[in-house]
Parts: sequence; structure tokens; C-alpha cells
Amino acid sequence: GIQVEQSPPDLILQEGANSTLRCNFSDSVNNLQWFHQNPWGQLINLFYIPSGTKQNGRLSATTVATERYSLLYISSSQTTDSGVYFCAVRGFMDTGRRALTFGSGTRLQVQP
Amino acid sequence: EAGVAQSPRYKIIEKRQSVAFWCNPISGHATLYWYQQILGQGPKLLIQFQNNGVVDDSQLPKDRFSAERLKGVDSTLKIQPAKLEDSAVYLCASSQPTGFATEAFFGQGTRLTVV
Repeated sequence: GIQVEQSPPDLILQEGANSTLRCNFSDSVNNLQWFHQNPWGQLINLFYIPSGTKQNGRLSATTVATERYSLLYISSSQTTDSGVYFCAVRGFMDTGRRALTFGSGTRLQVQP
Repeated sequence: EAGVAQSPRYKIIEKRQSVAFWCNPISGHATLYWYQQILGQGPKLLIQFQNNGVVDDSQLPKDRFSAERLKGVDSTLKIQPAKLEDSAVYLCASSQPTGFATEAFFGQGTRLTVV
């Protein structure tokens, strides 16, 4: 089935710094989402971005489906950005069915 | 618009006991998913429904886990008997039918601790 790799696994930033998180996937996908998991475990939808570029405030994302990667940009980071960021893609599993498969996440800590 | 509802939020049980989790998806969402998230890992798909039919349950440990979505709306996930390694957060998500490859939304999850 499809493989999803995220990098870096851990990231520590000072408040105000910028960062780029990467998501690589092994096969064609028809859906890609970025989530932020807050300290209470809730998965918050950031972007639904199977291709192209989107921006939402200090966050933006770009997916290049033909090259099988997506990037999440965080600018002027704040302590509230801390948490785990997950990339999830809808690709074929070993069963031949499509399902939303998650990467292992990037754990971000923003220090004041 | 109401989000995906899950209950309970937390559950502590002893090993070999049984437990059930409930999920009510976003209204009109035909596709429902159950994921298991072990501490420090990404969520792993257990089962996917479209309406009241199972689309994929290849990663569901069927000797102890079962799930149903009888009327094509809410769903229950059951573990019987529970093992220590079942300690995890169980997440429910919903989306429009899979053919449209639309955005999935998650509930707050149920944190299960097996002691």
C-alpha cells in the first residue's frame, strides 16, 4: 500500500521563526490533507490540498502531485502552533481500496 | 454545522473486559472511518464504511474488534476482550462518498486505557 513519510520528525523553533514541513508519498493520490493535532488530541483540519497552493493566514501549503510531495509552511510561528502536524493522503491500500493514510507526523515545539 | 461526535471521551478498563465506542458523523456524510492512534504514532485505519456497508476492514483485528453501522448513520466500535496493547485513542471521521475524494473531518476521539 501507499507509504507516507514526513520530515523532520521533530522541530524546535523560537517564536517568530519560519518553518517548512515536508510530506512525501509513494504513489498517486486523489486527496491530501494537513492536520494539526492539539494537546488534547483533536485533529484540526488545516488544508485539503490534492494539488496546487493554498494559504490561510500564517499557514500555506503546496502539493506537487506529479512529484509526490507536499509542503506546509508556517510563518512567524507562535507558541500556539505547537503540537503535531500530520499529512494524510488518499491512496491505494494493499486491498486495492483507497483509504486515508497518515504519516508519522512532525512534532513542533515553539518556544517563547 | 455540527461536527463528528464521539463518546465517551475517556475510558479505563481492565484487560479482558469489553468496551464500546460510539460515533455520530456529520449529517449527510456517507463515509465513516475508525482509526486507532497509539501514543507517538500517526492514526491507523481500522475500518471504513460507506453507508452501512464495509469498504475496508483489512487492518481490523477481527478476533477481538468489531464495528457496525446498521442504519448508515452512527456507528459503534467494540473491543472484546481488551488487551494492554489496545490502549490508544480511537478516532472517528466522516466524509462525503469516497468516489468524490472529499475532505475528512475527525471527532475528538476516545482515549482508552487498558490496565
